[in-house]
Amino acid sequence: DTGVSQDPRHKITKRGQNVTFRCDPISEHNRLYWYRQTLGQGPEFLTYFQNEAQLEKSRLLSDRFSAERPKGSFSTLEIQRTEQGDSAMYLCASSRPGTGFYGYTFGSGTRLTVV
Amino acid sequence: DQQVKQNSPSLSVQEGRISILNCDYTNSMFDYFLWYKKYPAEGPTFLISISSIKDKNEDGRFTVFLNKSAKHLSLHIVPSQPGDSAVYFCAAIAGSEKLVFGKGTKLTVNP
Repeated sequence: DTGVSQDPRHKITKRGQNVTFRCDPISEHNRLYWYRQTLGQGPEFLTYFQNEAQLEKSRLLSDRFSAERPKGSFSTLEIQRTEQGDSAMYLCASSRPGTGFYGYTFGSGTRLTVV
Repeated sequence: DQQVKQNSPSLSVQEGRISILNCDYTNSMFDYFLWYKKYPAEGPTFLISISSIKDKNEDGRFTVFLNKSAKHLSLHIVPSQPGDSAVYFCAAIAGSEKLVFGKGTKLTVNP
């Protein structure tokens, strides 16, 4: 159990650029979640996958955002045409079958700064 | 609409004393409540939870109390230790995989 790994840890990008983040869940965890945390707020749900299927998406996930989980292993979150309001910590979590939210393990996050 | 509210952004207590962190919610469909602890530069870590059919759950120094009629829960830490200094998030879940978090309370335990 090596934990949930997120890459990169920090990303600074210019407004209008595209960025992609990666999340590697704990092996054998079939559920994977993305959350976003802005300054002074708690994490907000973005989307979740069970295996490779994206089962729920928040209205926060505008059409500039896309998440994938090919083959049900790692996941990527892409933001196109970044805006300053996208600056946040993007958190990934995973859980294994039968544990639900008790088994939620969060990664350390990717901090995005849009300048 | 903030469904989970933590109205105290910060709390400071002395080592050895009790820390009480509060949380209010508005959605009566929530069926589980959780507390997460977050250190800087790390992701949130699960601490303790309580089902909506219970009014108390205890785990070592940590106890969570739920008052459904008041839509209020609290986390008690006794005795508080300097290592408990962190941001504490209250979260709730309503029959789905989605956690709804409060804004967090920064706890500082002074030696």
